[in-house]
Amino acid sequence: KAGVTQTPRYLIKTRGQQVTLSCSPISGHRSVSWYQQTPGQGLQFLFEYFSETQRNKGNFPGRFSGRQFSNSRSEMNVSTLELGDSALYLCASSLGQPNRYEQYFGPGTRLTVT
Amino acid sequence: AQSVTQPDIHITVSEGASLELRCNYSYGATPYLFWYVQSPGQGLQLLLKYFSGDTLVQGIKGFEAEFKRSQSSFNLRKPSVHWSDAAEYFCAVEYGNKLVFGAGTILRVKS
Repeated sequence: KAGVTQTPRYLIKTRGQQVTLSCSPISGHRSVSWYQQTPGQGLQFLFEYFSETQRNKGNFPGRFSGRQFSNSRSEMNVSTLELGDSALYLCASSLGQPNRYEQYFGPGTRLTVT
Repeated sequence: AQSVTQPDIHITVSEGASLELRCNYSYGATPYLFWYVQSPGQGLQLLLKYFSGDTLVQGIKGFEAEFKRSQSSFNLRKPSVHWSDAAEYFCAVEYGNKLVFGAGTILRVKS
């Protein structure tokens, strides 16, 4: 089975722009979660989607949003980028139930905001 | 506050030596517990998980972990470390319907 794929792998954006990141889960997985990883804050949960519905949300501002499509693929969007948004954004997929928390991660998208 | 603590930021071991990475959590109930490994520039790979049952769990790459309820710990062990084990290791705990990660432990392997 193919693993979780994320596109693009690297991205450079300017402050104030917006960005969309994409994640394709493992085939058959219905839950997709997003995490932000930075050297200072570590791994932080952004949100989780299951069957096209946001099931849980972390403590991030409204500039961070996401969605999930009927084929379980997910996108996350960050608007009005700030320098502090520079991070590795990781997507993880799981079956959803009963193994909701057994998550498999993609390679991440490295976002640099200048 | 609920937290996951990995007390060691860096650990250096000789190739062939045994390894133990520590993880403590502060939640009251018995949570779901995980260990992940991350190589530079890569995503996280699931090493092993504990949901319930036998407190000693086996994972991939020769790793094992032991859940100790009395100590709120879930330490990762490997009897003989290989140079390819050099990476960053993260302990994670399910809390509030999401995974909460520790800060990570960077493992260096010297030959």
